[in-house]
Amino acid sequence: KNEVEQSPQNLTAQEGEFITINCSYSVGISALHWLQQHPGGGIVSLFMLSSGKKKHGRLIATINIQEKHSSLHITASHPRDSAVYICAVYTGNQFYFGTGTSLTVIP
Amino acid sequence: DTEVTQTPKHLVMGMTNKKSLKCEQHMGHRAMYWYKQKAKKPPELMFVYSYEKLSINESVPSRFSPECPNSSLLNLHLHALQPEDSALYLCASSKHGSTEAFFGQGTRLTVV
Repeated sequence: KNEVEQSPQNLTAQEGEFITINCSYSVGISALHWLQQHPGGGIVSLFMLSSGKKKHGRLIATINIQEKHSSLHITASHPRDSAVYICAVYTGNQFYFGTGTSLTVIP
Repeated sequence: DTEVTQTPKHLVMGMTNKKSLKCEQHMGHRAMYWYKQKAKKPPELMFVYSYEKLSINESVPSRFSPECPNSSLLNLHLHALQPEDSALYLCASSKHGSTEAFFGQGTRLTVV
């Protein structure tokens, strides 16, 4: 069993739709990261969370430490949001990564 | 400055070449990490340096040789790689006793 589970694995949305990607983890964490990766591209850090909620533009990330769960929301999705979104948790010793959610936003 | 900078961004090397990947941060983080990501897979831990000393080596082949010459710099020396070593190599750093941790963008390595 992976320490970090993401759902869904694949997601297709129409432009403008509200999108939610979920992440559950089973280890004690210091922080949780949401990362974005375009095909053939590098990693872009979107958020680092240890509690509560953060917002950046159309992206919102929330974390519930008691339930060991985080969500990434994208409002008014756009084709340029098409990418793989990865949840990573930092335990204080190392990072554990989810397998990623592949998002395709259709115009 | 809250950046982890990796260079180069892309590297193509032959199986007989020797090359190095570089990772730099100036946030005073004393833990630095190398991860390897194959296509469509999550990153896998390779090495962890803590206070410039190697603390975790995840049974990585000796053709990968890490080095941490100072608290800001982490290198990964590559020699006699195989085509299956082609991957994204990701560096991260973190501050001991803190939630603070950051990722570099990665170096996309192709071995031909």
